[in-house]
Amino acid sequence: KAGVTQTPRYLIKTRGQQVTLSCSPISGHRSVSWYQQTPGQGLQFLFEYFSETQRNKGNFPGRFSGRQFSNSRSEMNVSTLELGDSALYLCASSLEELYNEQFFGPGTRLTVL
Amino acid sequence: GENVEQHPSTLSVQEGDSAVIKCTYSDSASNYFPWYKQELGKGPQLIIDIRSNVGEKKDQRIAVTLNKTAKHFSLHITETQPEDSAVYFCAAMSWGAAGNKLTFGGGTRVLVKP
Repeated sequence: KAGVTQTPRYLIKTRGQQVTLSCSPISGHRSVSWYQQTPGQGLQFLFEYFSETQRNKGNFPGRFSGRQFSNSRSEMNVSTLELGDSALYLCASSLEELYNEQFFGPGTRLTVL
Repeated sequence: GENVEQHPSTLSVQEGDSAVIKCTYSDSASNYFPWYKQELGKGPQLIIDIRSNVGEKKDQRIAVTLNKTAKHFSLHITETQPEDSAVYFCAAMSWGAAGNKLTFGGGTRVLVKP
């Protein structure tokens, strides 16, 4: 079974631009979570989607948003990029809402210049 | 919200020795505690997990213990090998109608010296 895939793997943007990242969960997984990883702040939870609904949200500004499609694929969007948004963005999927094991993708490395 | 502390931040061991990483959590509602290994350029990989109704779990050279009363859990790696070198993260999760949220520790960089 294929793992979690994320596209693109690398991205370079400039301040003020917006970006959309994509995540395809493991087949059959319905929950998708997004995390930001930086050297200074570590791994921080952004939000979780289940059945196209955002169920949980971390402490990030409204510039960070996401959505989930009927096939469980998810996208996250960051608007008005800031230098501090440079990070590895990780997506994780899990089977069902009460299933705890989360499986991570390889991440998208975003660099904001 | 939940807060997870992880120690040490770096750990250097000789091949064949054991490595122990410790984590504490703050939210008594947390009921699931996974450990992830992250290698350079890759996403975190789940290596072992434990639920709050279990005190210890073992998988070959890896074991995890949980003390709910003290709110701490530990990862034990025995007979370390060079391929165990990576960054290890502990995490705590509480789940329910409000959804699932993993809170991670700060990570431990493990170096196994041949």
